[in-house]
Amino acid sequence: DQQVKQNSPSLSVQEGRISILNCDYTNSMFDYFLWYKKYPAEGPTFLISISSIKDKNEDGRFTVFLNKSAKHLSLHIVPSQPGDSAVYFCAASAGGFKTIFGAGTRLFVKA
Amino acid sequence: GAGVSQTPSNKVTEKGKYVELRCDPISGHTALYWYRQSLGQGPEFLIYFQGTGAADDSGLPNDRFFAVRPEGSVSTLKIQRTERGDSAVYLCASSLLAGRSYNEQFFGPGTRLTVL
Repeated sequence: DQQVKQNSPSLSVQEGRISILNCDYTNSMFDYFLWYKKYPAEGPTFLISISSIKDKNEDGRFTVFLNKSAKHLSLHIVPSQPGDSAVYFCAASAGGFKTIFGAGTRLFVKA
Repeated sequence: GAGVSQTPSNKVTEKGKYVELRCDPISGHTALYWYRQSLGQGPEFLIYFQGTGAADDSGLPNDRFFAVRPEGSVSTLKIQRTERGDSAVYLCASSLLAGRSYNEQFFGPGTRLTVL
């Protein structure tokens, strides 16, 4: 039972345009959501997070939107840069302990 | 400062053998997590330590898997009677503390385990 789903295995975007990565979840007990970025042969690195009491969090070029009624969140990257090419994981936790990750979306940003 | 380190970076073993994977968390981090990542999948939670005790081991797939953190710092993931299906990248992460509010987890580079 996949509690966190990233239905797009890959996404290709032109440099300078917006990248939108989507994530759906099923567990209504999740109260914290995160996005991690992963380069090959490295561990995931934290990118941005959002608490369930908010619907938007912004950090520079990265914005995460949360729609609790739809159990959906998205990561927007504007403008996209070639260095953003990586695998992006959506993750969620309930109470700050066990974290459930999605399968990831590979983002390609073309120069 | 030093990040999370994991040793070995690669481990090749034969089916039925015993392996130990080591994780050195960031100094001062009280929470430590083990994940397993199979090809094409996201990290899968295995176990979480708060200090020396395993606070949640619900992700360990079976009793062949065991993890310890005897002094509240370094942790070892132990796999007995390895099977080919255990082949994966094993990731360790640590965070400053854990509680009702989420704390960012810092990941190590992982140990790639291959069971022949």
